[in-house]
Amino acid sequence: EAQVTQNPRYLITVTGKKLTVTCSQNMNHEYMSWYRQDPGLGLRQIYYSMNVEVTDKGDVPEGYKVSRKEKRNFPLILESPSPNQTSLYFCASSFLGQGAGNVKNIQYFGAGTRLSVL
Amino acid sequence: AQTVTQSQPEMSVQEAETVTLSCTYDTSESNYYLFWYKQPPSRQMILVIRQEAYKQQNATENRFSVNFQKAAKSFSLKISDSQLGDTAMYFCAFRDIYNFNKYYFGSGTKLNVKP
Repeated sequence: EAQVTQNPRYLITVTGKKLTVTCSQNMNHEYMSWYRQDPGLGLRQIYYSMNVEVTDKGDVPEGYKVSRKEKRNFPLILESPSPNQTSLYFCASSFLGQGAGNVKNIQYFGAGTRLSVL
Repeated sequence: AQTVTQSQPEMSVQEAETVTLSCTYDTSESNYYLFWYKQPPSRQMILVIRQEAYKQQNATENRFSVNFQKAAKSFSLKISDSQLGDTAMYFCAFRDIYNFNKYYFGSGTKLNVKP
C-alpha cells in the first residue's frame, strides 16, 4: 500500500530536549516536505527536499533541521524545542514534474504528528 | 511570495444542499496548480480536487467541482448534495510551478454539514 508514515503520532516533550520526527514513504518519490499546521494559519512549509542530499528552506525553517540521506526518509529534527513549536506536523511526498494530467503534482500526506513542548 | 486567502473561517450547510467555499490567491505567474484538500477530524489530509491553471475547463470530481476564474485569481469549491461525511476543514492550496517545490496553503474553512 502506498503511504507516507510519520512517527510518533503524539509527542510531549520539554523545552530544550532534542527530538526527531521520522517520515518515510514507499512510493519512490523524489520530493518530500514538512509542514506545520496552526489554528488560523493553515499549513506552512518548513523544509522540502528535491532528492537525496538536496534540501531547502520553506517559509518557517527557524528552529528546525532536516536531512535526506536516503530517498525514502526525511526526518525532522528539533535541536532545542521551544513552546512556540507546539503544533501539528505533516510530512508529504510527491513525484517531481509538471506533466499535464499526470499524478506528479499530487502530494501524499502522512497522518500527522501532534507535538507539545512544555 | 504567493498568498492564498480563505475568507470564510466556518460555514454550515444542511445535508443534501449545495455549498460553495471561496479561495483567492495572489501570484504573478501564468502557470500553476491549485488544490482543495479535506481534513476530517482524523486529521488526515485528503486531496479533493485539483486544477491546472492552463486548463480553462473547471475540474470536477463527483459531487465536487471548482469555479476557476484565472483573471480574478479565484478558485472556489462547490460541494453538491452535501453529506454528513463532508464535515471537515477544507484547505485551498497553490503550487508554484516555476518554484515547483513550494506549496502555499490558505488558513482553512471549517464546514459543518447538519442533518
